[in-house]
Amino acid sequence: AQKITQTQPGMFVQEKEAVTLDCTYDTSDQSYGLFWYKQPSSGEMIFLIYQGSYDEQNATEGRYSLNFQKARKSANLVISASQLGDSAMYFCAMREGRETSYDKVIFGPGTSLSVIP
Amino acid sequence: NAGVTQTPKFHILKIGQSMTLQCTQDMNHNYMYWYRQDPGMGLKLIYYSVGAGITDKGEVPNGYNVSRSTTEDFPLRLELAAPSQTSVYFCASSLGTVRSQPQHFGDGTRLSIL
Repeated sequence: AQKITQTQPGMFVQEKEAVTLDCTYDTSDQSYGLFWYKQPSSGEMIFLIYQGSYDEQNATEGRYSLNFQKARKSANLVISASQLGDSAMYFCAMREGRETSYDKVIFGPGTSLSVIP
Repeated sequence: NAGVTQTPKFHILKIGQSMTLQCTQDMNHNYMYWYRQDPGMGLKLIYYSVGAGITDKGEVPNGYNVSRSTTEDFPLRLELAAPSQTSVYFCASSLGTVRSQPQHFGDGTRLSIL
C-alpha cells in the first residue's frame, strides 16, 4: 500500500502568488520525519524543509513553510511569493523506523508545479 | 567536497547483461540508499544500508543486489538486466544518527536496457 500520497499530479500558480502542495502519509510509528525535496528539470534533488513528528511548531525555511497536521497525517508544503524558478517537481518524503527494520526514507509520487509569468 | 558521486552518468545495457552502478560518498555518512526513478514518477527505494556490512531491502529490490564493505561505497548490482529496469538511478546518503538530516543525492545514472 502506498504510504505517501500526493494527490496533485500537476499544479499551476501565477508568479508572486502562494501555492500549497498536498502530502498525506501513513505510518504506525510515533517517531518519524517528513521532508520536501525539489527536482528541477535538470534532475538534481534539492532539500527544502523538514518536519519532525514531535515538533510542535510548523517548520519554515525562507519562502517555504510546512502545514503539519499530525492527526490528519498531512504535511502540506506552502510556497509563498512564487517565482519562475520554482517550476519543478516536488516530492514529499517520510523517514520512519519500525521495530523489525532500520530507518528508511520513502518518497511520494510527486507534484509538478508550473509558475506562470 | 565532492559529496555523493555516481558512475557512470549514462549507460546502455543489453538484455541479460549485468553491471554495477558505483556510488561513493566522502561525508562519512553511515546511511546510504539506492532509488530508481521512472519517467514522470517518484523515487522508489531499492536497497539501503545503515552502515558497513548492514543492508536491507526497500520497496523494489527484485533484480538488484547490494553490498557495503566500506562506509564510503555502496555499489548496486544489476543481474540479468531486463527492459523494466530502464530508469534513472539515484544514490543518496545521510547522517543516520541525526534524524532531521536530509539526504544528499548524487546526480543520477541514466540506464537504458535494450
